[in-house]
Amino acid sequence: GENVEQHPSTLSVQEGDSAVIKCTYSDSASNYFPWYKQELGKRPQLIIDIRSNVGEKKDQRIAVTLNKTAKHFSLHITETQPEDSAVYFCAATRPSGYALNFGKGTSLLVTP
Amino acid sequence: DTGVSQNPRHKITKRGQNVTFRCDPISEHNRLYWYRQTLGQGPEFLTYFQNEAQLEKSRLLSDRFSAERPKGSFSTLEIQRTEQGDSAMYLCASSDNPGSGEQYFGPGTRLTVT
Repeated sequence: GENVEQHPSTLSVQEGDSAVIKCTYSDSASNYFPWYKQELGKRPQLIIDIRSNVGEKKDQRIAVTLNKTAKHFSLHITETQPEDSAVYFCAATRPSGYALNFGKGTSLLVTP
Repeated sequence: DTGVSQNPRHKITKRGQNVTFRCDPISEHNRLYWYRQTLGQGPEFLTYFQNEAQLEKSRLLSDRFSAERPKGSFSTLEIQRTEQGDSAMYLCASSDNPGSGEQYFGPGTRLTVT
């Protein structure tokens, strides 16, 4: 299968709280897992990614964890700010090893 | 601007007409991807090129869709006999080889089929 499932579809948090978005994938050959942020009317932009030989990666307030055995990976945003409000997509590589299957997205709203 | 560019940005066409979109990737990126995105959904994979070779095509892609990358630089996506269900944002992305794997997206072409 080629599905990437993403939850939740919407998430509302207060400024300063943490946000967690979870994804599962079905293709055991997937080896690259990026997360994209898309603001309204704009193109998707990479915020963090992780490869299958790594369990966790962190970049300032953003972290991603990967559990290859369970085929799931998560995005963690700490100390959220109103400018974090956007739609976030997870993705996993397709059998070609380069093209991506995307989740349906999580609309994150950070309220002041 | 050295980013991925797409033309046109918007296209309105009548059902049954053919349309063609163009994507110019970041210079020297040898991998190029086409995705389609509808409102409230994530990008859906359409096809992928490495240089001029089309290496992968979605099984869900109708034979009305065809893509080319003749010289390994820009790419075109053609939709023949458009249907209302083809209305979507068509996104192009590129990445380098071997590189980080990051795909850089263009601004997209919004297609409306009336």
